[in-house]
Amino acid sequence: DAGITQSPRHKVTETGTPVTLRCHQTENHRYMYWYRQDPGHGLRLIHYSYGVKDTDKGEVSDGYSVSRSKTEDFLLTLESATSSQTSVYFCAISRTFYEQYFGPGTRLTVT
Amino acid sequence: KQEVTQIPAALSVPEGENLVLNCSFTDSAIYNLQWFRQDPGKGLTSLLLIQSSQREQTSGRLNASLDKSSGRSTLYIAASQPGDSATYLCAVVADNNNDMRFGAGTRLTVKP
Repeated sequence: DAGITQSPRHKVTETGTPVTLRCHQTENHRYMYWYRQDPGHGLRLIHYSYGVKDTDKGEVSDGYSVSRSKTEDFLLTLESATSSQTSVYFCAISRTFYEQYFGPGTRLTVT
Repeated sequence: KQEVTQIPAALSVPEGENLVLNCSFTDSAIYNLQWFRQDPGKGLTSLLLIQSSQREQTSGRLNASLDKSSGRSTLYIAASQPGDSATYLCAVVADNNNDMRFGAGTRLTVKP
């Protein structure tokens, strides 16, 4: 999986609790991304990073924040989880923007 | 806003059949188009990437074509095998804003 790990792989949490998902890469790629995948919607970009401490919003960023303090780690935080954030979350990396490699995904359930 | 559509959502074929998966997009100003494979519970694996200046790419039994002017791409799979069963997604990167948009995918089942 191109040296990408995600943790945790599965999580169940309650509405209103904060949740942080971690993406770790060993490829030293500049770009990192967080997507969510929902039935009928394909993958949608939440946030991405183009360098340490450099991040930008994607298509569905509301309710999510990100941080990147090291090249290898990109964190996605749900400040107060809602049921609509139940989804499968994928991290991706790339050297340039245009060819991305995906991690195994994190299945998040918000009850 | 770019919209990417994949029809059909699901397809079932007998082993050995040649098949075509379709991807359409609404804005022809794309930088590239990529086809991915996703197995159940797994991440995405890139199959083929076509730059906007190219018409097709081939890898083994797979051939992807791109017609920017009509906003269409096809993924041709020759001599399908049960191991080809997976969901296939296409994604386009816009020419002017580095935005990658995905279709919802076609779930392919190849029956022995």
